[in-house]
Amino acid sequence: SAVISQKPSRDICQRGTSLTIQCQVDSQVTMMFWYRQQPGQSLTLIATANQGSEATYESGFVIDKFPISRPNLTFSTLTVSNLSPEDSSIYLCSGGTSQETQYFGPGTRLLVL
Amino acid sequence: AQSVTQLDSHVSVSEGTPVLLRCNYSSSYSPSLFWYVQHPNKGLQLLLKYTSAATLVKGINGFEAEFKKSETSFHLTKPSAHMSDAAEYFCVVSDGSRYKLIFGSGTRLLVRP
Repeated sequence: SAVISQKPSRDICQRGTSLTIQCQVDSQVTMMFWYRQQPGQSLTLIATANQGSEATYESGFVIDKFPISRPNLTFSTLTVSNLSPEDSSIYLCSGGTSQETQYFGPGTRLLVL
Repeated sequence: AQSVTQLDSHVSVSEGTPVLLRCNYSSSYSPSLFWYVQHPNKGLQLLLKYTSAATLVKGINGFEAEFKKSETSFHLTKPSAHMSDAAEYFCVVSDGSRYKLIFGSGTRLLVRP
């Protein structure tokens, strides 16, 4: 299995600012993903983080709002830009193996005031 | 397109009694299916996965799930509930082409003393 860490674990931000979340995996994984979990909701995939190239975004998510980097196999960042209260959610990263299993980080709890 | 439906948003059981969390899936091919658990203020933990091997899958903490193709179901069971099982459970199907996970809406399990 893979151990995945995220930081920060939580943050409170003012509207109009940005937050960058870091995700570190302890072993090489084939894929890395970013998810959003809005309050009381299930998880929704934001994008697939591709090493050394632009992320692949799901419908409803755009690069200008959620820029993602993955400079190497074990590290990725997600930035949530121009924050509004609607962005208050838990953001989780995951690492996927070749057997399609994904391991999740503990999540970053974001509150936008 | 792949999808999962969790038939109960909330399930309440007494400690020591059996647990049944229901999940139906829709897939155009033989899917990979997963159950994840999310304890309050914690990340997601993989309980078990089905990847076209044995139809009865045993997971951690005494949970198991049975893949029934004829019923398109993947219900999660446990013979005897513990207080520590209280959590949110997600049934998940994999989009095998890109390892994308599609989450169900979740079932909140309450265990009464």
